[in-house]
Amino acid sequence: QQPVQSPQAVILREGEDAVINCSSSKALYSVHWYRQKHGEAPVFLMILLKGGEQKGHEKISASFNEKKQQSSLYLTASQLSYSGTYFCGTEITSGMRFGAGTRLTVKP
Amino acid sequence: NAGVMQNPRHLVRRRGQEARLRCSPMKGHSHVYWYRQLPEEGLKFMVYLQKENIIDESGMPKERFSAEFPKEGPSILRIQQVVRGDSAAYFCASSPGNSLRTNEKLFFGSGTQLSVL
Repeated sequence: QQPVQSPQAVILREGEDAVINCSSSKALYSVHWYRQKHGEAPVFLMILLKGGEQKGHEKISASFNEKKQQSSLYLTASQLSYSGTYFCGTEITSGMRFGAGTRLTVKP
Repeated sequence: NAGVMQNPRHLVRRRGQEARLRCSPMKGHSHVYWYRQLPEEGLKFMVYLQKENIIDESGMPKERFSAEFPKEGPSILRIQQVVRGDSAAYFCASSPGNSLRTNEKLFFGSGTQLSVL
């Protein structure tokens, strides 16, 4: 029931872009994105509710294609502070399920 | 408005002992989730509770693990007769209602790191 994320890990230089994908075999009502830094609790980034909806948070944006049951997180002009593990979360029937995470490392 | 409070932050137990992890949700939140996280791994769903009700416990082992969220007081995740494999970080999260209906985000606590010797 948990969503599938790809890639598992990404290494970037400051200023480079990255895309993280999230897909589900079940119908999605919404997609949540969270970021977790090492040793800390996950922190909410954004929720996407409708097919084709896009949202932004700083230079991080996301899209949600309800029909394809997919969401993508776009990180543009990455900063050192973007390093962490990104999780997508989906609520299918009851309870939020998270993907395995994508570890993003931004180097100077 | 205080955030989600988990205690203790670190808990050390010997094999066979009991571990009790506490989670006080944000004020006004009636839904609590518990997740387990191993080092360098994802957030594994364990249980979803509403006050006095277990909504979904499909992610929780049927033996030794139990969870409750009483009308008054914090939510408790209880692990009996702990084994080394129970060592992990346990996070709880809360929301005002059923996220599926309200599209509310989850607020996470800082987690409890359980170490079983």
